[in-house]
Amino acid sequence: DAGVTQSPTHLIKTRGQQVTLRCSPKSGHDTVSWYQQALGQGPQFIFQYYEEEERQRGNFPDRFSGHQFPNYSSELNVNALLLGDSALYLCASSFPEGQLYEQYFGPGTRLTVT
Amino acid sequence: LAKTTQPISMDSYEGQEVNITCSHNNIATNDYITWYQQFPSQGPRFIIQGYKTKVTNEVASLFIPADRKSSTLSLPRVSLSDTAVYYCLVGEEDSNDYKLSFGAGTTVTVRA
Repeated sequence: DAGVTQSPTHLIKTRGQQVTLRCSPKSGHDTVSWYQQALGQGPQFIFQYYEEEERQRGNFPDRFSGHQFPNYSSELNVNALLLGDSALYLCASSFPEGQLYEQYFGPGTRLTVT
Repeated sequence: LAKTTQPISMDSYEGQEVNITCSHNNIATNDYITWYQQFPSQGPRFIIQGYKTKVTNEVASLFIPADRKSSTLSLPRVSLSDTAVYYCLVGEEDSNDYKLSFGAGTTVTVRA
């Protein structure tokens, strides 16, 4: 059973560009959350998708947007990239019958903005 | 999620028991305590969750005193592969707050 998968693994972009990151949840999971993790810090919640809608959002600007598809996979889009957007972007999936606050994380996408 | 405080780092040696204490003085009645582990260049991994007393699984034990204002994650007989960052999170059972709120965590370094 494949766990959470993310693509690409690494990405280098220039300031002002746009980027799309992709995530496939663990089999049987219907909820996808995205997190940003800067070097040396804990992951910071960006938003969560459930039933193809954004259910909750963290303190991130509108440049960060997302989408969830009928097969539960998800995309994270970041527009007008800033140097400060350089980070590890983590996707996590969960399911209703799981333990409270139990999320399964993917390996992440390392984004470097130059 | 309630605010938590945990040590920034801890050092240990192979075969020893490692205990990481997390303070959560403002924990609410419905709050659960959850611990995650993160290895370098990987996403966090759920370790254990508890509400009161003691919870044990194949990886760790979680001790929660009666007042629930703190909790201790215990890693028995650590190995080099247990070197990681450990995060303590506290959240309410009936909350509509679905996000995980991570602090800086505790960096545990296991030496040979």
